[in-house]
Amino acid sequence: AQSVTQLGSHVSVSEGALVLLRCNYSSSVPPYLFWYVQYPNQGLQLLLKYTSAATLVKGINGFEAEFKKSETSFHLTKPSAHMSDAAEYFCAVSDGGAQKLVFGQGTRLTINP
Amino acid sequence: ETGVTQTPRHLVMGMTNKKSLKCEQHLGHNAMYWYKQSAKKPLELMFVYNFKEQTENNSVPSRFSPECPNSSHLFLHLHTLQPEDSALYLCASSQDPDRVNSPLHFGNGTRLTVT
Repeated sequence: AQSVTQLGSHVSVSEGALVLLRCNYSSSVPPYLFWYVQYPNQGLQLLLKYTSAATLVKGINGFEAEFKKSETSFHLTKPSAHMSDAAEYFCAVSDGGAQKLVFGQGTRLTINP
Repeated sequence: ETGVTQTPRHLVMGMTNKKSLKCEQHLGHNAMYWYKQSAKKPLELMFVYNFKEQTENNSVPSRFSPECPNSSHLFLHLHTLQPEDSALYLCASSQDPDRVNSPLHFGNGTRLTVT
């Protein structure tokens, strides 16, 4: 069975600082990994995905994530936080299609001016 | 026009009421999904439809009844709900539920409160 653990339900950074949101996964087969973002009063939007190609994946809005098999991690980073990045971020894993997607509990990102 | 539209945005209903949530996708996708998002819990997949046929039912109570008349429309019929059913209900669509390169596109959700 697959699972996802997001370390830290709430992360707070200053505007312009590095954003690091942590995600560790458990999967018995090579996983497909995703990060989704949810802005207030909206649904989830795909930020980026890893599907066994390059281990460093670039997404929208300046975010990127690196797949590290040895650490079973898929952490999300952004070099410089912007106020508009304030949202909830979800890591997800699948061993097949979308209907097998398992989501983490989410990390709420707050940006301080 | 957004890709996945959900109505209503907010719904308050009593435990004896019957109501329906509506979802419409304008992306030409073949699969549609209902998810439940509760506070401090991971997103829960409820139902999956592929080409109008239900392919997944994650042990959802019968007080939730889905309907998918065609690939563009999805409904969730609600009756005799419990207060713990209060949550954000999200609809999503994808081209193919079995392909990993077919990501989910979500609507903005319906915030349901059961009193």
